[in-house]
Amino acid sequence: GAVVSQHPSWVICKSGTSVKIECRSLDFQATTMFWYRQFPKQSLMLMATSNEGSKATYEQGVEKDKFLINHASLTLSTLTVTSAHPEDSSFYICSASGRVFTDTQYFGPGTRLTVL
Amino acid sequence: AQTVTQSQPEMSVQEAETVTLSCTYDTSESDYYLFWYKQPPSRQMILVIRQEAYKQQNATENRFSVNFQKAAKSFSLKISDSQLGDAAMYFCAYRKGGGSNYKLTFGKGTLLTVNP
Repeated sequence: GAVVSQHPSWVICKSGTSVKIECRSLDFQATTMFWYRQFPKQSLMLMATSNEGSKATYEQGVEKDKFLINHASLTLSTLTVTSAHPEDSSFYICSASGRVFTDTQYFGPGTRLTVL
Repeated sequence: AQTVTQSQPEMSVQEAETVTLSCTYDTSESDYYLFWYKQPPSRQMILVIRQEAYKQQNATENRFSVNFQKAAKSFSLKISDSQLGDAAMYFCAYRKGGGSNYKLTFGKGTLLTVNP
């Protein structure tokens, strides 16, 4: 149990375009989902926390208008990188915790974003 | 604010030997959870082991065990009979107790190399 998927696993886009990343909990209801960014050889940096049906809570320094997060259902959260630029290139990881697994986050496999 | 410190950026171990990864944390909370996550080259974050602060007994999962010293705020991970597949970045993480929306605080990670 506790499987989280992400799609796509990698994406290349042109500067100025928007990219949407999906995070799904496959076998449990995720009341809370988290979005992280990870640079090479570094730890995970939390970007935002989203609760189903509510607006996301962003960490300090994360641009809300650039990184749009939607958590419309108990199994799906999306991260949209708007007007992407090369500095947005990174590895994005989602995680989820839910009604059964309330105290543990389970992670998706991540999405590598490259902006040309 | 809670902090998690992993003082060993890199460690190496011979196959079949035992290795211990260190982690210390700082918190004023009494109810919290501690985790070890493994991130292999695939970059998928995998939960290795979790420990509830209120439990005195150290958690174990097969070849993985922890030494939880609550007073010292120490949470080390012991890997016995190391295997080549154990090679990965290991992150220690802290989470305050309570609802599913509490975030994880990660250490900077320890890169474990397993030598054949």
